[in-house]
Amino acid sequence: SNVLTQPPSVSVAPGKTARIPCGGNNIGSKIVHWYQQRPGQAPVLVIYYDNDRPSGIPERFSGSNSENTATLTISRVEAGDEADYYCQVWDSTTDHYVFGTGTKVTVL
Amino acid sequence: EMQLVESGGGLVKPGESLRLSCAAPGFTFSNAWMSWVRQAPGKGLEWVGRIKSKTDGGTTDYAAPVKGTFTISRDDSKNTLYLQMNSLKTEDTAVYYCTIDMAVAATGWFDPWGQGTLVTVSS
Repeated sequence: SNVLTQPPSVSVAPGKTARIPCGGNNIGSKIVHWYQQRPGQAPVLVIYYDNDRPSGIPERFSGSNSENTATLTISRVEAGDEADYYCQVWDSTTDHYVFGTGTKVTVL
Repeated sequence: EMQLVESGGGLVKPGESLRLSCAAPGFTFSNAWMSWVRQAPGKGLEWVGRIKSKTDGGTTDYAAPVKGTFTISRDDSKNTLYLQMNSLKTEDTAVYYCTIDMAVAATGWFDPWGQGTLVTVSS
């Protein structure tokens, strides 16, 4: 089955860059999407199609994907970026969706 | 703006049933593929299942943990999505979100999401 592995936590100082990896077997051959979930709130799509931003998502959010790791990058991190982040793909072998294990981003 | 509003959550005993609803006013619900995603307390997101639009067959798919016990349906005349949950187990305790399933060739993503409804299964 498709397993997407993320580090449990990432810490970053305000104004710096946070990079959140999402590891999976040959994930570079899949299309990856990313969600932000602030405490007590529903998830929000922040990146789709590896590196497209929905309307209203700041340009500070970007994505990349190659070989066995996809990465969500948050530039010029702000306090409001503190949240859990999840990657997600569609598994063609099962026609099911799979989420990553999630990463808690802490702004120092 | 597309809005999704879940309801129907609550406290039930193991083995009991519960039906969740998701109201979807403000857009052409009948054309949308819809999914349910759940999140156990303190845990990550887990896809539960999906229903396609009737024009695309109206078929359903389920994650392995709920296949055979959960049923997704839709009433396009009421712009409402449902999740019928039978034989509930304590491990089904979670916040349940409905979301628009933006499925396209070889991928799909979820946008937007409802606010979620909490289901607690406990004796």
